[in-house]
Amino acid sequence: EAGVAQSPRYKIIEKRQSVAFWCNPISGHATLYWYQQILGQGPKLLIQFQNNGVVDDSQLPKDRFSAERLKGVDSTLKIQPAKLEDSAVYLCASSLAYRGRVEAFFGQGTRLTVV
Amino acid sequence: GDSVTQMEGPVTLSEEAFLTINCTYTATGYPSLFWYVQYPGEGLQLLLKATKADDKGSNKGFEATYRKETTSFHLEKGSVQVSDSAVYFCALKTNTGNQFYFGTGTSLTVIP
Repeated sequence: EAGVAQSPRYKIIEKRQSVAFWCNPISGHATLYWYQQILGQGPKLLIQFQNNGVVDDSQLPKDRFSAERLKGVDSTLKIQPAKLEDSAVYLCASSLAYRGRVEAFFGQGTRLTVV
Repeated sequence: GDSVTQMEGPVTLSEEAFLTINCTYTATGYPSLFWYVQYPGEGLQLLLKATKADDKGSNKGFEATYRKETTSFHLEKGSVQVSDSAVYFCALKTNTGNQFYFGTGTSLTVIP
């Protein structure tokens, strides 16, 4: 089966600019996650979708970050305006989440550098 | 809240040495436990998993046993190879909201 697709792979922007990331999960996976991974740290959950509804966005900086998952498939994560501390790898993951198939599958990530 | 505490690195071993990376967790209920591996410039790949107490996950010579009494899921490998050099993340998934929580990662370098 095809994996989780993310684009772009790399992005460099100036602070106060806006940026968007795209994710296409594995077909049939109802749960989609966006994680932020700062260099040298573990992934931190930003937002979790179940189909096209938000399950958890408690750690999403809502003053600058937004995410949507239209039709319960693809998802976009946007940052506007970006700050220097947003430099990180943004990982998208998806999961079937039923008995026996509990793991999440990750995309290759988008490396964002804010200068 | 739910969390994972992982042995800090970096860890440097000689080829064929024994590897242990410690991981303990805090969670309500009965989470599923995972080890993910991240090679440079790539996303996270599932290495192994365990979904209930006393389960042993294994893959590519790596093993970890879900110990509820000690809330641990330590990763072991009897003989590491240079190709095992990567960052290893311990993670748990709650059995209520299906959230994943990750440790901070342990960098492993294996030298010939």
